[in-house]
Amino acid sequence: EAGVAQSPRYKIIEKRQSVAFWCNPISGHATLYWYQQILGQGPKLLIQFQNNGVVDDSQLPKDRFSAERLKGVDSTLKIQPAKLEDSAVYLCASSLGRGVQETQYFGPGTRLLVL
Amino acid sequence: DAKTTQPPSMDCAEGRAANLPCNHSTISGNEYVYWYRQIHSQGPQYIIHGLKNNETNEMASLIITEDRKSSTLILPHATLRDTAVYYCIVRVGNAGGTSYGKLTFGQGTILTVHP
Repeated sequence: EAGVAQSPRYKIIEKRQSVAFWCNPISGHATLYWYQQILGQGPKLLIQFQNNGVVDDSQLPKDRFSAERLKGVDSTLKIQPAKLEDSAVYLCASSLGRGVQETQYFGPGTRLLVL
Repeated sequence: DAKTTQPPSMDCAEGRAANLPCNHSTISGNEYVYWYRQIHSQGPQYIIHGLKNNETNEMASLIITEDRKSSTLILPHATLRDTAVYYCIVRVGNAGGTSYGKLTFGQGTILTVHP
């Protein structure tokens, strides 16, 4: 089966610009996650969707970050305006959404550099 | 979720068993121990998980102490492709609040497999 797809793989922008990342989860997966991974650290959950509803966005900096999953399938994560400290890898993951002990499958990530 | 403590780095010779320790002394009765790994420039990959019994799959074995305060991930015959960051994660086993399905990553153990 196809894995989690993300695009672009790399993005370089200047601070105060906006940027958007796209994620297509594994077919049939109801739960979708966005993580931020700063260099040298483990991934940190930003937001979790169950179908097109938000389950947890407690660690999403809502003044500049937004995410949507309008049709319950693919999702976009946006940063506007970007700051230098947003330089990181943004990982998307998905799971079936039928129980809390499910395996999460991760995409390859989008590497963002803010100059 | 309970916190975990892992050594920052370990080495292993190719073909030998790699034993990665994890301490989780504050684990609760409904919390599972999960292991993920992240190979350079890839997203994290699920390895194995367990509650209190030892578990084995095609990738690894998980040994959990009787008091559940620590565990060891065993890669029986390490190869160069097993070089990665290994994350030990304690994850709640029932839905509720913001912990539903959430993976909280620490900094993990960098395992380097040498020829």
